[in-house]
Amino acid sequence: QQQVKQSPQSLIVQKGGISIINCAYENTAFDYFPWYQQFPGKGPALLIAIRPDVSEKKEGRFTISFNKSAKQFSLHIMDSQPGDSATYFCAAQGGSEKLVFGKGTKLTVNP
Amino acid sequence: GAVVSQHPSRVICKSGTSVKIECRSLDFQATTMFWYRQFPKQSLMLMATSNEGSKATYEQGVEKDKFLINHASLTLSTLTVTSAHPEDSSFYICSARSLNYGYTFGSGTRLTVV
Repeated sequence: QQQVKQSPQSLIVQKGGISIINCAYENTAFDYFPWYQQFPGKGPALLIAIRPDVSEKKEGRFTISFNKSAKQFSLHIMDSQPGDSATYFCAAQGGSEKLVFGKGTKLTVNP
Repeated sequence: GAVVSQHPSRVICKSGTSVKIECRSLDFQATTMFWYRQFPKQSLMLMATSNEGSKATYEQGVEKDKFLINHASLTLSTLTVTSAHPEDSSFYICSARSLNYGYTFGSGTRLTVV
C-alpha cells in the first residue's frame, strides 16, 4: 500500500531540546527516504535523506534513524531553535518515480 | 545547488478565466516534473507527473481538461488551470527530478479565484 504514516501531527519543544518525528511505511519497494522542511507560503525544501543500506545519517543538527526491519524512520533535530519552527514532511520513494508523503508535523520551538 | 523557479508566486483571477503557472529548472535538466496541490494544514497531493515531450499522467480524480500540463522542454513545465472556479483556489507546487539532485521543489503559487 502506497502510504507513509507520520507522527506526531504537532510538536512543541523548548529551545535547545530534541525534536523527534517518526514515520512508518508498508511498501518494501521504497528505497529512498527524504525529509522536507516547509515554511508557510513556501515550497518544501530537502533537509536530509537516507537509503536503506545505512541505519543512520547525520547532517549538522539533523539525524535520520532508519530501521529497515521495522519499516520505520525518524528525524531527530538536536538543539532545536526557534528558526526550526516549520512543518516537516517525511516521504518515501521506490518502485515508481512518485514521492509518497506523510501528513506532516508542525513543529513549534519556544524560545 | 539545484534551483526550481516557479512563477507567479501569487495570482488572483476571476471565476471563469484561465491561469498559467510556470515551473523552470534553472541549472539542471529535469527528467520528470511533478505538480502538487496543497490545502491549508495538509500534505502535498500529487496531481500529475510529466515528462518532456509526452502527455502528463494524471492522478485519479484530477480533471485533465481542467488542469492542463505542458512539458515543453527538459527545463520547463506549465500548469494551466482552465475555467477557474473558487474551489480551485489552493497552493500549487511543482517539483523537478534529476539524477544528480533528486527532487527539487519550487516555491509554490498561491491561486485565489474570486
